[in-house]
Amino acid sequence: GQNIDQPTEMTATEGAIVQINCTYQTSGFNGLFWYQQHAGEAPTFLSYNVLDGLEEKGRFSSFLSRSKGYSYLLLKELQMKDSASYLCAVARSNDYKLSFGAGTTVTVRA
Amino acid sequence: DGGITQSPKYLFRKEGQNVTLSCEQNLNHDAMYWYRQDPGQGLRLIYYSQIVNDFQKGDIAEGYSVSREKKESFPLTVTSAQKNPTAFYLCASSNRDSGYEQYFGPGTRLTVT
Repeated sequence: GQNIDQPTEMTATEGAIVQINCTYQTSGFNGLFWYQQHAGEAPTFLSYNVLDGLEEKGRFSSFLSRSKGYSYLLLKELQMKDSASYLCAVARSNDYKLSFGAGTTVTVRA
Repeated sequence: DGGITQSPKYLFRKEGQNVTLSCEQNLNHDAMYWYRQDPGQGLRLIYYSQIVNDFQKGDIAEGYSVSREKKESFPLTVTSAQKNPTAFYLCASSNRDSGYEQYFGPGTRLTVT
């Protein structure tokens, strides 16, 4: 089965940095995704990690440690538009399915 | 433009009625999925289909039904047997060639009273 944990809420100030952690326990692993979802909208893809290490993409970076079952999403130079829910999702190795965490709601304050 | 469409954006039904939510994709993806999202919760998988004319139950299939007669279409029927149907429903698709990334439609918010 899958067990994916991430914090429920985080608050940060505009221009600051926020790190959203995700821990998982899974039978089979074929990568970890981060999605951003604004209220009432569809999730949009942010990053995919399948190997250990840090992937940087502009203001957003994602890190994976497979041995620890751990990932984080780092949001730098926070902007008001970054206020959203961030979903961690794990792909199993034997099918197309993703298992999602409950999401972390990030609120950016001026 | 390639993408996934869901219609309508908002849907209202009376309790006891079946309702069908549409999902169409022109990405030529093999796999399609239906998720349900409730306030403060993550996405829960209802049904998925990896190929035409085949589909499997997800984690919360009770009270729902699907069909996959065409590659581009994967409609979801919410039956009167679903005890708490009011939710935000998301459809997604993926392909082995694009890894496991799932592309999502805009969602349908269903309210049953």
